[in-house]
Amino acid sequence: KQEVTQIPAALSVPEGENLVLNCSFTDSAIYNLQWFRQDPGKGLTSLLLIQSSQREQTSGRLNASLDKSSGRSTLYIAASQPGDSATYLCAVTLMNTGFQKLVFGTGTRLLVSP
Amino acid sequence: GAGVSQSPSNKVTEKGKDVELRCDPISGHTALYWYRQRLGQGLEFLIYFQGNSAPDKSGLPSDRFSAERTGESVSTLTIQRTQQEDSAVYLCASSFSRQGTSNQPQHFGDGTRLSIL
Repeated sequence: KQEVTQIPAALSVPEGENLVLNCSFTDSAIYNLQWFRQDPGKGLTSLLLIQSSQREQTSGRLNASLDKSSGRSTLYIAASQPGDSATYLCAVTLMNTGFQKLVFGTGTRLLVSP
Repeated sequence: GAGVSQSPSNKVTEKGKDVELRCDPISGHTALYWYRQRLGQGLEFLIYFQGNSAPDKSGLPSDRFSAERTGESVSTLTIQRTQQEDSAVYLCASSFSRQGTSNQPQHFGDGTRLSIL
């Protein structure tokens, strides 16, 4: 059974710092990996999607890496801002299910202080 | 609106009552998903609809849970004889996906926060 773990569970940093969020998964047979952002009382917003054949994806100040063989992904946020405060979720898409079945981690709650 | 719409946004009900949650997907999205997010836990997949195909119900936790969708439109998730452990945020997502593909992003609604007293 695929399990996804995110470390740390919570993180508090001052504005301007660079930070790394970690995600690990137990079964390397994945189709892709996604990072989402969830604001309080809101749904999820997709940030980055990395195909299993890719090593990283970048969008603005965000960079996500994927090491499928070791079952790890990191989300790097450069020059953090208070508006980055949210819960960040990673999810893997299982293979051979016929549809996009996502298995989520429990998330990292990020607080960026001004 | 352009996004996935869920109603109600909040629901408080007594244990033992039935509840019905609604999801309006993005127009043209063929795939629809229901998830449950309990406090301190990750999102759990509940059920998947693709067009007029039979839904994948493999994530439904018990026979008290059921869901319907007519064609590629609105879906309802029904929980019968609610229990306190059913308290959670129920999220709906839709995507433009054909059966067998996994490359289109899922777009999420804001969820229904369900509290069972």
